[in-house]
Amino acid sequence: DAGVIQSPRHEVTEMGQEVTLRCKPISGHDYLFWYRQTMMRGLELLIYFNNNVPIDDSGMPEDRFSAKMPNASFSTLKIQPSEPRDSAVYFCASRTSSGNTIYFGEGSWLTVV
Amino acid sequence: GDSVTQMEGPVTLSEEAFLTINCTYTATGYPSLFWYVQYPGEGLQLLLKATKADDKGSNKGFEATYRKETTSFHLEKGSVQVSDSAVYFCALSLSGNTPLVFGKGTRLSVIA
Repeated sequence: DAGVIQSPRHEVTEMGQEVTLRCKPISGHDYLFWYRQTMMRGLELLIYFNNNVPIDDSGMPEDRFSAKMPNASFSTLKIQPSEPRDSAVYFCASRTSSGNTIYFGEGSWLTVV
Repeated sequence: GDSVTQMEGPVTLSEEAFLTINCTYTATGYPSLFWYVQYPGEGLQLLLKATKADDKGSNKGFEATYRKETTSFHLEKGSVQVSDSAVYFCALSLSGNTPLVFGKGTRLSVIA
C-alpha cells in the first residue's frame, strides 16, 4: 500500500517567495496532520484536519502560514512570504478515526535563503 | 497539560551494548503510548506501542513496558547495532480524536 506522499522532497527558495507543500494521505484515513521539525524546537504540530475540516490550527506560527484540505486525498501547506526562519522539515501524517497510530510521510525539506 | 519527557541525547553506544532510553509522561487520563523512530533523511515510523497498563510493546528487538505506577515507558534493547542509529521519539495519545503528543526525541549513535 502507498504511504503518505509528500512533495516536493526538497525545496530551496529565496526569502519572500511563496512556498507550497503538498500531501496525499493514505486512502481511507480521515485525519491529516502537518508537523514542522527543527533542531531548536523539535517536532511541532502545526494544524490537523478531520474529514477535511481544520480542527486545531493553534500551532500555525503566523498568518504567513495557511493550510487547506479541499478533498480527502489532498492537502497543502503554504508559506507566503517565506522567511529564512521557516527553514525546516515539514511532515504530513495521517490516520483513521478508529486507530491511534499515525503514519508519516518522508517530509519536505525546506531551505529559505 | 499532557506531556512527554525523554532523556536528552545524544546517546553514543558501542555495537552490542545495552540500550535504555527513558520516557515519562503526564496525562489527565489513560493514554496509549508509542515509540517512533526516525532514520536519517526519513520520516517517523512507528516502532512499538502499548495501549494499557502493564502491556509490553516489542519490535525489532526493542521493548517497552507501560508502567502506570511510575508513568513511564522506557525503551530498551539488549544488543544495539550500527543500523539502530536514529532519533527515537516517545509519544502519547489520550483518545482517537486527539493528536499524538511527542517528546523532543533522543538521538542514538551506535559505533562499530
